[in-house]
This record gives sequence, structure tokens and C-alpha cells, in this order.
Amino acid sequence: SQQGEEDPQALSIQEGENATMNCSYKTSINNLQWYRQNSGRGLVHLILIRSNEREKHSGRLRVTLDTSKKSSSLLITASRAADTASYFCATVPSNNNAGNMLTFGGGTRLMVKP
Amino acid sequence: DGGITQSPKYLFRKEGQNVTLSCEQNLNHDAMYWYRQDPGQGLRLIYYSQIVNDFQKGDIAEGYSVSREKKESFPLTVTSAQKNPTAFYLCASSTLAGSGTGELFFGEGSRLTVL
Repeated sequence: SQQGEEDPQALSIQEGENATMNCSYKTSINNLQWYRQNSGRGLVHLILIRSNEREKHSGRLRVTLDTSKKSSSLLITASRAADTASYFCATVPSNNNAGNMLTFGGGTRLMVKP
Repeated sequence: DGGITQSPKYLFRKEGQNVTLSCEQNLNHDAMYWYRQDPGQGLRLIYYSQIVNDFQKGDIAEGYSVSREKKESFPLTVTSAQKNPTAFYLCASSTLAGSGTGELFFGEGSRLTVL
């Protein structure tokens, strides 16, 4: 079952602009993660934010988490053509009895035009 | 270098044939996973294993089988019972809950096409 839902499904911006992607989820979480996937490749972990954190930064990435609204956002600042990829949010439930069971959303396809 | 290796990268199968996708990791991770990805879609969990000789069904296990005879290896067999097997298959591994962050490490995927 897919818990996370990304919005928008597709996003096209110019190089240098900021890109914001949103993720909503349904149940209580232990943490929320963002992954990147280049076309035809495996996923790469970008950043993890725990349920007791509200904001986290990593280079040009900024992630926020609002547990009251069950939502998260990923901001990529000063985008580059190389940022073109699909971005997925994934959640680990708070009752993590089944061992790191991430549930993925459908992803946002980001295109950054040179 | 440590990582996950999937093979083959591309595989073609005739209807009615079973095929096995290989997944090997040298990260010393206890947990391993198989996901299916359809075009423009997210990932759906097929099977997972937290320990050698044990595995559990995910959301879409019908028509698939797995084994976990070694910690490093978690092969996936797509059987003839899988009605729509054409997809991109991703293997991943992680440390177990409570001992890690939950981050998954992915292989590069195997694209299966049924002719």
C-alpha cells in the first residue's frame, strides 16, 4: 500500500529556480525519507527527517516535516539541469515491527531546463 | 566498494517461463527487499527478508517467490503465475529496525520484458 503521495506529479522549471515538492502521508511515522531516481536507475537516499524534527538541511536540499498535517516538503534551491530526476518520499511507520518497512509514494518527476 | 549488485540489467522472457533475478550485497545488511516499479509509478513491495532463511510477503507477492539461503543473496523468481510481469525490479538492503536509520540502499534494477 502506498502511504505517501507526492504533489505535483510533474514539475518543470528553469535552471537556477527553486523546486518544491510536497508529500502527504496517512499514519503515524517514525521517520520520513526522500529519495532520488534518475531515469532507468536505482533510487538514491537523499535525506531523512525524524518525527521529532521539523526541518533539516543538506547542501541545496531543505526538508520540512509537519506531523500535525502529516505532510513534508522537499525544497531544492538553485536547481541545475543535473537535478532532473524523479523524487520519492517514503515513510517508516512508528510501529516499526516489520523492520524498516518503507512505504513509497508515486513520486514527482522534476525537469530542470538549461 | 560496498553496494548492491543486480543482474541481469535487462531480461526478456516468453510467456509461461520462470525467470530468476539476482541480488547480491556486500554491505553486511541483515534486511533485504524486492520492489516492483511500473512506468511512471512508485515502488511496491514484493517480498522482504530480515534474516537468513526467513522472508515475508509484501503487498504484491502473488506470482513471485524468493529465497534467503545466505545473508548476501536474495534472488527473486518471477513465475508463470505472475499475470503481468513486465516491469522494473529493484532490490534493496538496510540495517534492521532499531539498529539503523531505516535508509535503504538500492541496486541499479533489472528490467524484465515479457514477449
